[in-house]
This record gives sequence, structure tokens and C-alpha cells, in this order.
Amino acid sequence: QVQLVQSGAEVKKPGASVKVSCKASGYTFSTYDINWVRQATGQGFEWLGWMNPNSGNAYYPRKFKGRVTISMNTSISTAFMELSSLRPDDTGVYYCVRVRSVVEAALDAFDIWGQGTMVSVSS
Amino acid sequence: EIVMTQSPATLSVSPGERATLSCRASQSVSSNLAWYQQKPGQAPRLLIYGASTRATGLPARFSGSGSGTEFTLTITSLQSEDFALYYCQQSHKWPPTFGQGTKVEIK
Repeated sequence: QVQLVQSGAEVKKPGASVKVSCKASGYTFSTYDINWVRQATGQGFEWLGWMNPNSGNAYYPRKFKGRVTISMNTSISTAFMELSSLRPDDTGVYYCVRVRSVVEAALDAFDIWGQGTMVSVSS
Repeated sequence: EIVMTQSPATLSVSPGERATLSCRASQSVSSNLAWYQQKPGQAPRLLIYGASTRATGLPARFSGSGSGTEFTLTITSLQSEDFALYYCQQSHKWPPTFGQGTKVEIK
């Protein structure tokens, strides 16, 4: 069964960092890009970036460049997303998602979603 | 970035009836449009990609259509498990962007 399993909920103070993990199973991890998407409380979905497990290439949108870092440990089929300088409006659910295409950097639908990790930022 | 606009925000439908959801893009996305279903406390689930291709295992009562800037998700004969939130997402130009969602509720 193809699945992405994320780490548990986090509570952080403003200015801190959070690191969320995403373990893949049921498929060859290196074949597909992993993207991260968030659903901030009361807001829509925002894309945070992608990384290719094979090449290590990554890309981040301008809004999050410098604050988001995606990394991977291919030996354990796990992706990580670290968000720094947390603010209260970063509160929401963070998802790792697999892109449907096997082509690196392909923009495509997201066919497999992690269960989501709730990140709460409050003083 | 491409702005996706969904309508209506809420759709009230009786079980067994048809639901028609709309999604409009601020510029052409060709056929690079996906639809997702999200139930409370769950992650979204891919329903349709390429504007009209059903994901594996999706019942035939779900269908997608459209191209360019106008898209439709149709659910014929709504079942109890279909009452949920539905989102569209364009995969034509970076960054990928989502609509704000349509809630399909029981009438």
C-alpha cells in the first residue's frame, strides 16, 4: 500500500523552528518528487516547495525562500520540511504530497498525501 | 500566480441528485487541472487529473470536464460518502495553486 506517514502535532513559540518528517512506503522513494503543502487555519492551500530524492534538487516559492528547507534521507525513505522564524499565521496543517509524474520537477497532480501534521504557533 | 476561483462556496444537494461544481482559472491552464475531495480531519484525496481523467478506483459517478479557464466537476446520484469539501488545483504553471473549495452539503 502506497502511503506517506507524517510525524505528530507540534506546538511552537513565535520565532522558533519546526521540522516535520514524512516516511514513504509501498513504492520506490527515489522515483517521485515530494512536495510540501500547507493549509493554514482559515486559509486555503499554499505550496511550500519540492525536492527530488534522487538528485537532491529543490525549489521553493519566493514567499518561503529562506524560511523553508526540505531535506531527505533516502536510506530510510523519509523527507523532512523545516520552517523557521515561525509566526502565529504559520499555524495550520502541513502535508507532504507525492507528485503523480515520475519526471523530476514535473508540475502535476498530487496523487498521494500524508495524513497531515498540525503545527500550532502561539506565545 | 494563477488564481483559481471555485463556485459556489456551498452547494446543498439531496442524496441521489446531481451536483455540479465550477472552477475558473485567472489564465489558461490548458487541461492541467485536478480535483480533490477532503473530508473533516482527513487529507485531500485525488479524484480527477488532466481535467477529466479519473484517479484509480474512483466511481464513474464522478466526472470532470473543461479546458482553458473553465472547469466542471460533476457528481451524478450523490451518495452519503460524497458530502465533503472539493478543491480544484492547477498544475500548469509554478506555483501550483488551489481554489478555495466548494462544500457539498446535504439538503
